[in-house]
Amino acid sequence: GAVVSQHPSRVICKSGTSVKIECRSLDFQATTMFWYRQFPKQSLMLMATSNEGSKATYEQGVEKDKFLINHASLTLSTLTVTSAHPEDSSFYICSVGHGGGYTFGSGTRLTVV
Amino acid sequence: GENVEQHPSTLSVQEGDSAVIKCTYSDSASNYFPWYKQELGKRPQLIIDIRSNVGEKKDQRIAVTLNKTAKHFSLHITETQPEDSAVYFCAAGGNNAGNMLTFGGGTRLMVKP
Repeated sequence: GAVVSQHPSRVICKSGTSVKIECRSLDFQATTMFWYRQFPKQSLMLMATSNEGSKATYEQGVEKDKFLINHASLTLSTLTVTSAHPEDSSFYICSVGHGGGYTFGSGTRLTVV
Repeated sequence: GENVEQHPSTLSVQEGDSAVIKCTYSDSASNYFPWYKQELGKRPQLIIDIRSNVGEKKDQRIAVTLNKTAKHFSLHITETQPEDSAVYFCAAGGNNAGNMLTFGGGTRLMVKP
């Protein structure tokens, strides 16, 4: 299956600043990547589908201007949380689909103070 | 869109007993049903999956059954061990790598020694 690297694993930022999270598919060309958010003791909720070379598709209720997604190459998708607030504190995780199923990144624990 | 319901939300069993977790889904077009084990702060780990052309699949102590007519699938863990304690998620999606996964709400399994 695919190998997916996500960075950073943890980040603490001040309220009002922006944070960029990277998701790399190391051995697989991914035209599509998925971004999920997981609050404590809850399930993974799909935020958006990242499409290489085109605009991301956002799920209902997810602000596209706040959560900027860029998928400029077949191996890299980035999620930027803009003007972060404490309620954005969560576990963000990317996923790549491939013939064998889905592979997840290691996740990013974002804490906004 | 797809909606996945998972029950129970918590499950406590004695070591050596069996554990069963059940999920239902709404979209008849879904044909890929993975189960993930997630430990705190870590990425989901695939433990078993099943595709719609199969009714049952087994891997050592873990088995999954699928009833496409009723739109439900179940995870069975036999001879449970304390290290099986974790949160388990079911999911439903398409076979295509571009299809997203929709997750159930999760089950916290506790295996008492």
